[in-house]
Parts: sequence; C-alpha cells; structure tokens
Amino acid sequence: EAGVAQSPRYKIIEKRQSVAFWCNPISGHATLYWYQQILGQGPKLLIQFQNNGVVDDSQLPKDRFSAERLKGVDSTLKIQPAKLEDSAVYLCASRSAGEQFFGPGTRLTVL
Amino acid sequence: AQSVTQLDSQVPVFEEAPVELRCNYSSSVSVYLFWYVQYPNQGLQLLLKYLSGSTLVESINGFEAEFNKSQTSFHLRKPSVHISDTAEYFCAVSYGDYKLSFGAGTTVTVRA
Repeated sequence: EAGVAQSPRYKIIEKRQSVAFWCNPISGHATLYWYQQILGQGPKLLIQFQNNGVVDDSQLPKDRFSAERLKGVDSTLKIQPAKLEDSAVYLCASRSAGEQFFGPGTRLTVL
Repeated sequence: AQSVTQLDSQVPVFEEAPVELRCNYSSSVSVYLFWYVQYPNQGLQLLLKYLSGSTLVESINGFEAEFNKSQTSFHLRKPSVHISDTAEYFCAVSYGDYKLSFGAGTTVTVRA
C-alpha cells in the first residue's frame, strides 16, 4: 500500500512570496490533516478535512494560509504572502480507524 | 487546553543500555495516547498506541509504554537500545476525536 505522498520535499522562497504544497493521502482515507512543525517543536494541527469538507481550521492563520480538498482526495495548502516565521516542515497525514499516517513533509525556508 | 509535556529534550544513551522517555499530559476523562518516531529525513511513524484495554502496550521493535491514569503519564521504555534507535520521539494525545496534540519531542542519540 502506498503511503502519504507530498511534494515538493523542499522549498526556499523569499518573504512576501507565495507557495503551495500538495498532498496525496492513502487511498480510501476520508480524513486528512495538515500540520506545521517548527524546528524544535512538535507538529501543530493547522486544518482537518473529512472528505472535501473542513472539520477544524481553528489553528489556521486564515489571513495568509488557505487549504482545499476539492474532490475529497488530494489536498493543497497555500501560503500567501509568506513570512519569516512560516519557515517549518509542513506535514500531511491521513487517518484510518485510530491511526494517522504521515507523509515525509515539505521543508519550507522563508528568507 | 490540551497539553503534552515531554520532560527531556535530549537523551544520550550508550548502545545496549536502557532508555526511558517521559511524557505527561493534561488530565481528561478519556484519552488516546501515542508515541511516534521520526528518523532523520523521514516522516513520522507510529511506534505504539494506547486506545483502551491493557495499560502496557508494546511495539514490534522492543519499545513499551505504560498508561498511568493517576499520574497522567505515558512513558516510553526500551531495555536495550541499538544505534538504529537514534531518532526523535514524539508523544501525542487525542481526547477522543483523533485530533493529535504533540509534545515538543525527545531526541535520542545512541552511541557505541
């Protein structure tokens, strides 16, 4: 069974630029999560989808971050415009029963 | 608010020695508890979980963790570590809705 796929693996941008991350969850997993992991900290939940609907986006900075999962499968997370403090690893996970499966993450560096 | 505290940020240990990683969480009537491992340049992998039943849970590679409700703890142990256990370990808690709150992580460095 293929795992959670994410791309790109690395991205370097300058502040005020825009960036987008893509996630393809494990086939059949209805629940998808995006996390932000800042260096030295544990992952922090940004948004949770159930199929193509948002379940929880209370921790998403909506003035600059957006996410969508239009067909209930792939998802995209966008930052526009980026700030220095957005430098982090962005993790995507999908859930089956009681377990979340994580992708390798996208490491974003904002200069 | 939900919180998870990992009491040690770095744990150096010699090969074949035992290791214990401490995790405490804020109290609740019902919790699910997890330990995830992150090897260098890889994603998070589930090491073990407690959902219900026996308070002692084990992984296939020799780790175990014990759910202690009275002390709100879920410490991770391994009696004899290998070089390959060098990684970052995250404790996580879910309060019944499967949304995870993570601790800050513990970096384990195993030396020969």
